[in-house]
This record gives sequence, C-alpha cells and structure tokens, in this order.
Amino acid sequence: SQQGEEDPQALSIQEGENATMNCSYKTSINNLQWYRQNSGRGLVHLILIRSNEREKHSGRLRVTLDTSKKSSSLLITASRAADTASYFCATADNYGQNFVFGPGTRLSVLP
Amino acid sequence: EAGVAQSPRYKIIEKRQSVAFWCNPISGHATLYWYQQILGQGPKLLIQFQNNGVVDDSQLPKDRFSAERLKGVDSTLKIQPAKLEDSAVYLCASSLLGGFDTEAFFGQGTRLTVV
Repeated sequence: SQQGEEDPQALSIQEGENATMNCSYKTSINNLQWYRQNSGRGLVHLILIRSNEREKHSGRLRVTLDTSKKSSSLLITASRAADTASYFCATADNYGQNFVFGPGTRLSVLP
Repeated sequence: EAGVAQSPRYKIIEKRQSVAFWCNPISGHATLYWYQQILGQGPKLLIQFQNNGVVDDSQLPKDRFSAERLKGVDSTLKIQPAKLEDSAVYLCASSLLGGFDTEAFFGQGTRLTVV
C-alpha cells in the first residue's frame, strides 16, 4: 500500500530557528495531510494540501507539494519548545479510503 | 464539540489473556478507524468502519483481533489471546464523511503492555 516516508527521522534545533521536514510518497495522490503527535498523546491534524495546490500556509506552518517529485515539505518557522513532537505525513491508499502514515520525524526544539 | 473518547488509557495484561478497548467517536462522524502504533513507528491502520459496515480490515490479524461498531456509533476492539508483540498504543479516530478529503480526529489512545 502507498506510504509516505518522512525525512529526517529526527531533528534537533534551537528555539527561534526554522524546522523543515520532508515527505516522499510512491504513487499518485489526491491530497496529502500532515499531523503532529505530542509525546503520549493522539495525533492532531495540521494541514491538508490538495494535488492541485503547490503551497499552503497555516500560522507558522508552510506546506509545499511537488507532485512531479512525489514529495512534500513542512516548514515550521520561528520554532518554539511547544513544537517538540513527532510529525507525520499521511497519504491515501490506492482506494483513497484511509490514511496511511509514514514513520514520522521527531522534532526537538531546545530552549 | 467533544473529541474522540477512548478507554482505558492504560492496560497491562499477561500474554494469552484477552483485552478490549472502547471508542466513542465525535457525534455525527460516519467513519471510524482503529490504528496500532508501535513505539517509534507511525500508526498502522487495523480497521475502518463506515457507519456500522467494515470498509477495510485487510491488516487486522483476524485470528486474534476483532472489532465491531454497534449501531454505527461506539466501537470496541478486542485482542484474544494477546501476544508480546501486541504491546502498542491503540488509536481510535473518526472523520465526518470518510475518504481522504476530510481530516481525521484522534483520541488519546490506549497504551497496551503485554508481559
């Protein structure tokens, strides 16, 4: 089944810096979603980008999508300690019916 | 609005015992998902319901796992008998319509430890 793969697996930055994580997937998609998971908690939806969109913003988040390269990136600007979490991209499976998650990027923002 | 409710939050059992998890989705959400998340990995879909019908259970180990969604609302996931490798967080999620065009709302999960 189709699956996104996040890169890097882990990322440590200082507070105030920007964090960029990437997601690559294997087959054509209709759209792609990013989720955040704080330690010991459920996942929280961040942003959905459709295949006909190239860039989308939400607060300090910027997501890009390059369907020709089958990749997406999530940029968090001016990071805060509260951004420390795991970030997952989710893509539709071949039937477009459910979310398939990658292994995630673990982001640590140091004060 | 109230979120997705799951119980219990934590469960420790011995191998070969049985266990059940409960999920109450957001009111009005037609689609309900159960995911298994092993430590350090992304969530893996176990089963997806649309109302009270099963849409996808291809990754559900049916020899030991079962799930039901009575009346298209609450759902239970059961493991019988449990194995050590079932130790994971079990996440329930719901979405308004299903499909991939809408976001999924997740519960806090149930952390299962099999000893």
